[in-house]
Amino acid sequence: DGGITQSPKYLFRKEGQNVTLSCEQNLNHDAMYWYRQDPGQGLRLIYYSQIVNDFQKGDIAEGYSVSREKKESFPLTVTSAQKNPTAFYLCASSDRGTRNSPLHFGNGTRLTVT
Amino acid sequence: SQELEQSPQSLIVQEGKNLTINCTSSKTLYGLYWYKQKYGEGLIFLMMLQKGGEEKSHEKITAKLDEKKQQSSLHITASQPSHAGIYLCGADLSGGYNKLIFGAGTRLAVHP
Repeated sequence: DGGITQSPKYLFRKEGQNVTLSCEQNLNHDAMYWYRQDPGQGLRLIYYSQIVNDFQKGDIAEGYSVSREKKESFPLTVTSAQKNPTAFYLCASSDRGTRNSPLHFGNGTRLTVT
Repeated sequence: SQELEQSPQSLIVQEGKNLTINCTSSKTLYGLYWYKQKYGEGLIFLMMLQKGGEEKSHEKITAKLDEKKQQSSLHITASQPSHAGIYLCGADLSGGYNKLIFGAGTRLAVHP
């Protein structure tokens, strides 16, 4: 079955450490996205990529970095510069060739930094 | 996002009751999406609305788009415990480039 896989489901890190969240999709989608979800708030866009080797900052990119070396993979690194990294992170993909195609989401990674 | 307001924030209903969730945008909508989320999980796509006046239904869930009012509503008929979860609306305000912004969500509980 096609879908988006995020790993791990839970991640614990000490403050000051960088951490990388994995996102893999086998939907053959060109576009991929990273969102952050905090309690009582909607999803906020961190980074997005419309095509391999290209990505753009979303609304809250500070303290995060991404890469898009392969179509199916879009890892997110949460750096020590991110002031409030504890959150639920969601990866999504969409068919860039279809206008207004819905985003398909992974099951998320819950990151806790202490 | 304040660009997309959802109401109510939370809702508790008795099984079998109807309910409506609203989503209002401060900007022009190029596409409006409804998703459902179980706590701690990803979002499940429900419906997409693109044109003013458009209405779509899936099982007991109906969504409508009022483009002039920049508003969408999600209506659940004869609610069931399986409808419980968080409902989020997402809107494309970027002109079709799928950069969605999301409302804060409506938490729905359905009591037997």
